[in-house]
Amino acid sequence: DTAVSQTPKYLVTQMGNDKSIKCEQNLGHDTMYWYKQDSKKFLKIMFSYNNKELIINETVPNRFSPKSPDKAHLNLHINSLELGDSAVYFCASSQGLTYNEQFFGPGTRLTVL
Amino acid sequence: GENVEQHPSTLSVQEGDSAVIKCTYSDSASNYFPWYKQELGKGPQLIIDIRSNVGEKKDQRIAVTLNKTAKHFSLHITETQPEDSAVYFCAAGSARQLTFGSGTQLTVLP
Repeated sequence: DTAVSQTPKYLVTQMGNDKSIKCEQNLGHDTMYWYKQDSKKFLKIMFSYNNKELIINETVPNRFSPKSPDKAHLNLHINSLELGDSAVYFCASSQGLTYNEQFFGPGTRLTVL
Repeated sequence: GENVEQHPSTLSVQEGDSAVIKCTYSDSASNYFPWYKQELGKGPQLIIDIRSNVGEKKDQRIAVTLNKTAKHFSLHITETQPEDSAVYFCAAGSARQLTFGSGTQLTVLP
């Protein structure tokens, strides 16, 4: 199936730990994103990569580090997890930066205890 | 930066009735306005979009209108069905990114 996939779907961890979320798209898109959706459903852009180059880096703590090994993958590594990091993280991809449909992955629900 | 406001936050309608969700944006440079539907436990999915050179677009039961002068755009769903129940997000796009509204939980009552 052509899609955006994320692993894991659920992630439960203790405060202070380091964790990674992986994202892959097989749509042939050149742009990938990470969004954070909080408990009130608010969806906020964190990062975007275009052709493996970081384009958008919103005011996200530097504990969050995206890595794009190639155009089809965009991983998110989080250091020293805090309670406030608990959220659903969505990966998305599109062809081009904007003006085109963004395809979202199924999300990763991160719970920090 | 862009600021998108979306109303209402919750909306309940009877099956068969129409639903309208409204959004306003602040950045006149925005020229792409998509609407996404998010079902429970899933990622958002595009349902319709409109670009600034168009005032209205329709796709079966769904229509979107755009007023660039007033900086507002709306989603209209006619003949609502229970499967339309979901969270709907508007967004405004510029050359760099999409900025999403806060979402509307639509419930269609059978």
